[in-house]
Amino acid sequence: NAGVTQTPKFQVLKTGQSMTLQCAQDMNHEYMSWYRQDPGMGLRLIHYSVGAGITDQGEVPNGYNVSRSTTEDFPLRLLSAAPSQTSVYFCASSYLTGLRNTEAFFGQGTRLTVV
Amino acid sequence: ILNVEQSPQSLHVQEGDSTNFTCSFPSSNFYALHWYRWETAKSPEALFVMTLNGDEKKKGRISATLNTKEGYSYLYIKGSQPEDSATYLCAPGRAAGNKLTFGGGTRVLVKP
Repeated sequence: NAGVTQTPKFQVLKTGQSMTLQCAQDMNHEYMSWYRQDPGMGLRLIHYSVGAGITDQGEVPNGYNVSRSTTEDFPLRLLSAAPSQTSVYFCASSYLTGLRNTEAFFGQGTRLTVV
Repeated sequence: ILNVEQSPQSLHVQEGDSTNFTCSFPSSNFYALHWYRWETAKSPEALFVMTLNGDEKKKGRISATLNTKEGYSYLYIKGSQPEDSATYLCAPGRAAGNKLTFGGGTRVLVKP
């Protein structure tokens, strides 16, 4: 069972370049999220989705776009990379059981450096 | 944006000793409180999802309690082992989309 898969694991970008971080889950989870992790800041929510076709902003959405065309995939697009976007990015998924959400299942992370 | 505080930020524990640390969060509109264990170079893994005031959860030597009325949760590690060395994150969850707001974490280092 693959769980949540993120690609690539490492990426170096030049300022101004664009790229897409991929996230796929094979657990049929409704909810998917993107977080970034910076030293001393903990995990901060960028964007999230409650199902295919539905996305919304998190705490730090500026400079990122998302879409959710299928239940499985939730790509994160950097429109014009900036050094401030150097971070480790985590994708997570979860589902609703009864009236409660489950724990989040995290991917392995993507370490992005913008030079 | 919820204000979630974890204390202490880090602690060193001697192998075999027990320890505990705190997660504080807004008590209003409480939905759920998550605890995650995060080892270096790995991804966070869930320990507990707690929803009821007074709830206690246990997983091996790790347990947690929850007070939703005053907005805090304690995580306990009994008889710490070197493999318990990790950062422990707490996160209140909100209903819509299971959005999590993470605290800064408590980094635990267990010395043999």
